[in-house]
Amino acid sequence: QVQLQESGPGLVKPSETLSLTCTVSGGSISSYYWSWIRQPAGKGLEWIGRIYTSGSTNYNPSLKSRVTMSVDTSKNQFSLKLSSVTAADTAVYYCARVRGDIVPNWFDPWGQGTLVTVSS
Amino acid sequence: QSALTQPASVSGSPGQSITISCTGTSSDVGSYNLVSWYQQHPGKAPKLMIYEVSKRPSGVSNRFSGSKSGNTASLTISGLQAEDEADYYCCSYAGSSPVVFGGGTKLTVL
Repeated sequence: QVQLQESGPGLVKPSETLSLTCTVSGGSISSYYWSWIRQPAGKGLEWIGRIYTSGSTNYNPSLKSRVTMSVDTSKNQFSLKLSSVTAADTAVYYCARVRGDIVPNWFDPWGQGTLVTVSS
Repeated sequence: QSALTQPASVSGSPGQSITISCTGTSSDVGSYNLVSWYQQHPGKAPKLMIYEVSKRPSGVSNRFSGSKSGNTASLTISGLQAEDEADYYCCSYAGSSPVVFGGGTKLTVL
């Protein structure tokens, strides 16, 4: 079955760019939407955005100015870049596949998550 | 785009049934039958429990069911078990800003 694994630095300095990659195994990345979702410690889930394998993207309006997503179908990977980070961006970051027959709207499966701390 | 509203906590005894509500607006929950629910145990990734309001993925117990009325969706867990103790999040499609999550509900099994 499809499995997802996040990777990237666990510590990022304020004002720098957070970069994460999600590697998809057990299936092809093609013809699906893929999302990033984050969760600050003790808080709820926040949808960051999604990317289709064509490269088409949609971002959360509250993060749109700082977010860039990309996809590399040859490596079965997709990536997240979040610029100008602050302590408020400290969170566990999850990647997930987006499913839906009519419109993509539910997330399954999820990666295990990776903690990113923003600190100098 | 505001988060969907869920109760912060609910509780129930083993064997009982509980319901978690998820209130949105006419722009999200009320407009689309595209509500999903996720279970999250401490330190773990969320797990899909219900999609498209009431559909259950393969492998999810039939003790979990979903419904919707107007701008409010609900997750019902019947025959509560200790392993059901977790955080639960609802999520709705929201059109132009595609997805919005609820704030989460902590379920305690007494």
